[in-house]
Amino acid sequence: QVQLVQSGADVKKPGASVKVSCKASGYTFNRYVMHWVRQAPGQRLEWMGWINAGNADTRYSQKFQGRVTMTGDTSATTVYMELSSLKSEDTAVYYCAREGAYDFWSPYLGGLDRTDAFDIWGQGTMVTVSS
Amino acid sequence: DIQMTQSPSSLSASVGDRVTITCRASQSINRYLSWYQQKPGKAPKLLIYGVSNLQTGVPARFSGSGSGTDFTLAISSLQPEDFATYYCQQSYNTPRTFGQGTKLEIK
Repeated sequence: QVQLVQSGADVKKPGASVKVSCKASGYTFNRYVMHWVRQAPGQRLEWMGWINAGNADTRYSQKFQGRVTMTGDTSATTVYMELSSLKSEDTAVYYCAREGAYDFWSPYLGGLDRTDAFDIWGQGTMVTVSS
Repeated sequence: DIQMTQSPSSLSASVGDRVTITCRASQSINRYLSWYQQKPGKAPKLLIYGVSNLQTGVPARFSGSGSGTDFTLAISSLQPEDFATYYCQQSYNTPRTFGQGTKLEIK
């Protein structure tokens, strides 16, 4: 079945880097965009960026620009998210999430429109930043 | 960035009740709005995309409506497994943004 399996929990010191992996299976890996979303304790979900698994194009949230790098390995059907210069505020659960494309009826267009949503999620990876 | 604001932040209800959760965007997002359900210690699960389209396998007691800036998620007859936190999310532009969540608790 379609699934995303992430690497295990990690503990890092402030200033260090962390690299989280997300292995995809059950679908054609390079046909989809993968997003990374994080959730600090008791906080809302926060989008970090995406990587196109087919051509390795990336787009990052301005908040993380310069600190985040998303890469992919098509032979391993795995994407990676590396976050550097870690601070205590980066303590969070990090999720990878596949972007699914959906056609739907739009009254604005009087016809079909297309949207995307995060249809498959990894189980999450807890990253703790503590001295 | 588009701000997404949900109300209420928490809600108590009983099995069998009908509940509604609202989500407001800081600007028009057309119909590029999704809803997710998250249970403690678990990843979010997609319920609805394009405002009102149920993801495969989602029970028909869930429904969505709205357009522009104001949206609603309704659950027609609460089941025990529906007690969770619900998030709206816009896919109109980047950065993708989420509401702060609505925690649905058993009364």
